[in-house]
Amino acid sequence: DAGVIQSPRHEVTEMGQEVTLRCKPISGHNSLFWYRQTMMRGLELLIYFNNNVPIDDSGMPEDRFSAKMPNASFSTLKIQPSEPRDSAVYFCASSLGAGGGWPQHFGDGTRLSIL
Amino acid sequence: AQSVAQPEDQVNVAEGNPLTVKCTYSVSGNPYLFWYVQYPNRGLQFLLKYITGDNLVKGSYGFEAEFNKSQTSFHLKKPSALVSDSALYFCAFYGGGATNKLIFGTGTLLAVQP
Repeated sequence: DAGVIQSPRHEVTEMGQEVTLRCKPISGHNSLFWYRQTMMRGLELLIYFNNNVPIDDSGMPEDRFSAKMPNASFSTLKIQPSEPRDSAVYFCASSLGAGGGWPQHFGDGTRLSIL
Repeated sequence: AQSVAQPEDQVNVAEGNPLTVKCTYSVSGNPYLFWYVQYPNRGLQFLLKYITGDNLVKGSYGFEAEFNKSQTSFHLKKPSALVSDSALYFCAFYGGGATNKLIFGTGTLLAVQP
């Protein structure tokens, strides 16, 4: 079975550029989560969707970050303009349900470096 | 605030010896607790979960965890460590109530020496 697919795996770009990260959740899963992982801050939940609707975006650091889920099989996380402090590994995860006992399945992440 | 704590940044164990990775929780009500593992350059992988029922939960790769309500702990254990178990381990809980967030601990790096 295909897991959560993220692209690109690595992204290096200059400060000020727009960055778009992509995620394809596991087919049939109705919840999708975006996380950011850094050494300093650990694993942070940025936003999550249930049935393509954003439920909680309180973790989005600032207005430069936006996320969309136009359909059940695709989501994007966009940073515009990007800054060096945005450098991190960004993970997408999906789950069969919105909470409770449903485990989340993670992609292998996008390693983002902003120069 | 509700949270999970992983008191050890790193655990070192010799191959073949039993291992324990500690997690304590401060969660109201009946907690839903999870363990995940992260190998280098990979995403987190689900190992096991406790929701209700038997306090000893068995998971993937021979791991198990014991839910202890009196000590508010959910330690991860394995009877015999393998070098391939070396990875970063995260304890987590579901926030419940108005939130469906999965709240992670800070992680414990497990190093198994051959």
